[in-house]
Amino acid sequence: GDSVTQMEGPVTLSEEAFLTINCTYTATGYPSLFWYVQYPGEGLQLLLKATKADDKGSNKGFEATYRKETTSFHLEKGSVQVSDSAVYFCALRVLGQFYFGTGTSLTVIP
Amino acid sequence: DTEVTQTPKHLVMGMTNKKSLKCEQHMGHRAMYWYKQKAKKPPELMFVYSYEKLSINESVPSRFSPECPNSSLLNLHLHALQPEDSALYLCASSQDPHRVGEQYFGPGTRLTVT
Repeated sequence: GDSVTQMEGPVTLSEEAFLTINCTYTATGYPSLFWYVQYPGEGLQLLLKATKADDKGSNKGFEATYRKETTSFHLEKGSVQVSDSAVYFCALRVLGQFYFGTGTSLTVIP
Repeated sequence: DTEVTQTPKHLVMGMTNKKSLKCEQHMGHRAMYWYKQKAKKPPELMFVYSYEKLSINESVPSRFSPECPNSSLLNLHLHALQPEDSALYLCASSQDPHRVGEQYFGPGTRLTVT
């Protein structure tokens, strides 16, 4: 069935470090892919999206590329900040249904 | 405007109480969703409304009763809840129930059942 697998956390990084959070998916059809971010005590916010193979989504310094050949949508940021501390969810949508990964908690220390 | 609003932000209720959660969006979206989220877990889908009709009920206990009075509003009526129902309840919407497009989430209602 359709599913998302993302990197287990928690992840702890120093400020200005490089971030990668891995996400792979299994889907029938042609899914759209998303990264959501959830700050403590808040709802999920859409961080970026990609709707077809080779699309790159980007926002606030974060990037992810839709790789059909490896069924992946890894999240990257070149230099993280303390304010990036949050839980990150990879998600896909196919045939109207949404599927979320288990979430990766990121803590950035000064 | 990509805002989904939810009220109340926090709710404490006893097991015999009846309460309602409210959700509103003015983006013209035709799909609306209720999710339950436990700490450190992803959201779990409860209900989906498609063009104001209930299209998905993920085997949710009858003590949770959804309602969609119009295309902008979504309610979740709560009755005789259990302590294990304590969680963050998230509302979301998307433009089209059947095609591509992202979901927009509200800030959630933090529910505590005592």
